[in-house]
Amino acid sequence: GAVVSQHPSRVICKSGTSVKIECRSLDFQATTMFWYRQFPKQSLMLMATSNEGSKATYEQGVEKDKFLINHASLTLSTLTVTSAHPEDSSFYICSAPDPGRYGYTFGSGTRLTVV
Amino acid sequence: GENVEQHPSTLSVQEGDSAVIKCTYSDSASNYFPWYKQELGKRPQLIIDIRSNVGEKKDQRIAVTLNKTAKHFSLHITETQPEDSAVYFCASLTGGGNKLTFGTGTQLKVEL
Repeated sequence: GAVVSQHPSRVICKSGTSVKIECRSLDFQATTMFWYRQFPKQSLMLMATSNEGSKATYEQGVEKDKFLINHASLTLSTLTVTSAHPEDSSFYICSAPDPGRYGYTFGSGTRLTVV
Repeated sequence: GENVEQHPSTLSVQEGDSAVIKCTYSDSASNYFPWYKQELGKRPQLIIDIRSNVGEKKDQRIAVTLNKTAKHFSLHITETQPEDSAVYFCASLTGGGNKLTFGTGTQLKVEL
């Protein structure tokens, strides 16, 4: 099936620094990528939707300037957490529509810890 | 927007028993309802899904039922095994868009 490769799987950064998370669609073109955030023992909350070649669409309450999303090619979408703070520590997961079936395929997730 | 409620939040069953998790949704235009199993620190894994033109779907020990009139759908796991222990999420896809809305999750524990 369709695979979305997400990197890094874990990252620890200092408060105030920026972190970039990459999601690559392997063997298929992802014109759309969804970015979720999941706090411990909570559900997946959609942060934003990226579309290749256009601006991302952010969900209500998500700061555009803090969570920069770039979808410059049909196989790569990136999420940059800028000026990270401890409250940004979370599990970030990307997802793309599966071209082979009705549904979605998820990246493996990135555990971000801001110290 | 769509709102998905999921119950119960925790569920403990004895090995071999059945487990049932229920979800309700608010948007009558929703047309796709997947169920995911998520182990700690891992990505959600699709275990079964159902589309709005079907009332029930079964795959071995797992089944999903959908009641469009009442706007609720349920996951049924029979003959539970310890490896079924995980967090399960329901989700719905609104017909007007392509965004999945997730339920709040159910921590299932299958005890020996």
